[in-house]
Amino acid sequence: ETGVTQSPTHLIKTRGQQVTLRCSSQSGHNTVSWYQQALGQGPQFIFQYYREEENGRGNFPPRFSGLQFPNYSSELNVNALELDDSALYLCASSLADVSEAFFGQGTRLTVV
Amino acid sequence: RKEVEQDPGPFNVPEGATVAFNCTYSNSASQSFFWYRQDCRKEPKLLMSVYSSGNEDGRFTAQLNRASQYISLLIRDSKLSDSATYLCVVNKPGNTPLVFGKGTRLSVIA
Repeated sequence: ETGVTQSPTHLIKTRGQQVTLRCSSQSGHNTVSWYQQALGQGPQFIFQYYREEENGRGNFPPRFSGLQFPNYSSELNVNALELDDSALYLCASSLADVSEAFFGQGTRLTVV
Repeated sequence: RKEVEQDPGPFNVPEGATVAFNCTYSNSASQSFFWYRQDCRKEPKLLMSVYSSGNEDGRFTAQLNRASQYISLLIRDSKLSDSATYLCVVNKPGNTPLVFGKGTRLSVIA
């Protein structure tokens, strides 16, 4: 619907492992933001990419890292997974300086 | 203090009821305001933007009071399909991320 797609939709990982989540932004959108949503909480900002550069970061440790590619798609990488990393990871794409953002369906990560 | 605070909920209301959600924000530099709706285990979807003059979309009315840093959402004639979590969202000027409240869950009961 929004033109923003995330993969995979569900994932189970073991504590200590690494994971890569992917996001394809809506056509023409140059900004991608990643959010973590724990159960019963609102989405929390992880970081934002604008034209392949990190453009802001929330209160997340360095083991959360990302990339944005020339076609504006993006990856979120999490190293040394912890149980508390279990959450819904949301990607949102937007145009710079336009507030409205469009979300992908999310990746539900479970760390066991 | 969290940057965006909402009524904790949950709200359980009968069909046809009117329900109001309240939200306050702490950053006076906030410039854009939204209500998002999130269904269980799905992504948030924009319900409506909120403007200083107030705005209405069918059964939904949103209000903003910049002086009090307060946002509200009113739902009239609640339907079963309105059952969801409603997220209050604010945004500062420029290419900045959205800041979400914790959300308020609404259950409309037949």
